[in-house]
Amino acid sequence: KNEVEQSPQNLTAQEGEFITINCSYSVGISALHWLQQHPGGGIVSLFMLSSGKKKHGRLIATINIQEKHSSLHITASHPRDSAVYICAVRTPLQGAQKLVFGQGTRLTINP
Amino acid sequence: NAGVTQTPKFQVLKTGQSMTLQCAQDMNHNSMYWYRQDPGMGLRLIYYSASEGTTDKGEVPNGYNVSRLNKREFSLRLESAAPSQTSVYFCASSVSQPNTQYFGPGTRLTVL
Repeated sequence: KNEVEQSPQNLTAQEGEFITINCSYSVGISALHWLQQHPGGGIVSLFMLSSGKKKHGRLIATINIQEKHSSLHITASHPRDSAVYICAVRTPLQGAQKLVFGQGTRLTINP
Repeated sequence: NAGVTQTPKFQVLKTGQSMTLQCAQDMNHNSMYWYRQDPGMGLRLIYYSASEGTTDKGEVPNGYNVSRLNKREFSLRLESAAPSQTSVYFCASSVSQPNTQYFGPGTRLTVL
């Protein structure tokens, strides 16, 4: 079983819909990251959070440490939101910290 | 600021050939990382450098070597390429370890 599991793996929706992407993890973490990978391949960090909720524009990320679960929400989705969304958790590695990545959720927003 | 740059963007090698992937950042970051991304799998850490002068193995270091040339540059070397090393390679950097990472555009490597 992967240490970080995302669901769904693929998601297709219509423009304007409310989108939820889920991330569950099985290891102890110090922080959780959400990243966006554009169709061209570039990766951009969206959020880093260790508790509660963060909001940036139409994007909202929440985390429940007790349940080891995080969600990424997109309100009023737009075709430009089409991308792969990646969850990553920060966890200890040999005295340092490493990121363990989920497989990603491919989101397609149709006009 | 260019952020994190990687060269080359694409490379095709034959089995047994060697090559070095270059990465540079202009954000004065202390920590740098090399990842590989394979279909159906998440990004996996190959090597990282927490600060100038130090390097450490990640999850999948076999077949690779790294050099932290200075604070700006972190290179990844394949001494004898194998088809299993066909992948997309990403370099990233952060101010320090437990911080947001900034990624380069990636290098798509094919080993025949």
